[in-house]
Amino acid sequence: KQEVTQIPAALSVPEGENLVLNCSFTDSAIYNLQWFRQDPGKGLTSLLLIQSSQREQTSGRLNASLDKSSGRSTLYIAASQPGDSATYLCAVLSNDMRFGAGTRLTVKP
Amino acid sequence: EAQVTQNPRYLITVTGKKLTVTCSQNMNHEYMSWYRQDPGLGLRQIYYSMNVEVTDKGDVPEGYKVSRKEKRNFPLILESPSPNQTSLYFCASTKGQSSYNEQFFGPGTRLTVL
Repeated sequence: KQEVTQIPAALSVPEGENLVLNCSFTDSAIYNLQWFRQDPGKGLTSLLLIQSSQREQTSGRLNASLDKSSGRSTLYIAASQPGDSATYLCAVLSNDMRFGAGTRLTVKP
Repeated sequence: EAQVTQNPRYLITVTGKKLTVTCSQNMNHEYMSWYRQDPGLGLRQIYYSMNVEVTDKGDVPEGYKVSRKEKRNFPLILESPSPNQTSLYFCASTKGQSSYNEQFFGPGTRLTVL
């Protein structure tokens, strides 16, 4: 059974800092990995989807990488802003979808 | 606008009173699913549907029912709600018949069972 772990559980950084969020999974037989953002009390917004054949995807200040062999993905956020404060979830897509518990990010002005 | 909608967004009910949470998508997606999100447990899949009239259990199906009579709708039914079903519920849809394409989520339904 696939297990997805996100470390750290919470992260607080000053505005402008570059940061990395980590996601690890136990079974490397995945199709894709998706990163989401969730604001308090709100739904999930898809940020990036990495196909299993890809190693990274970029969207604006976000860059996500995937290393299937080591069971890891990272989400890099450049020049963080207070508006980036949210919980970030990674989800591993195989025969079903497994979510990590999320990293709660706070970017202080 | 492509979207997944859920209703109601908030619901407070009492133990044993049947309720239905509706989910609808306008993207002609085949795959739809329901999740619940609980503190410390993350998102867990309740049921999913690969197409009309095809549904299957996820990780935590006990106490829930679903139906898929039309492609766009996938209601979640709680026949006899209990307090342990108090949670935040999300509906999601995906193009194709599996979960391995990009998933689109609804805004969530916060359910409280007293």
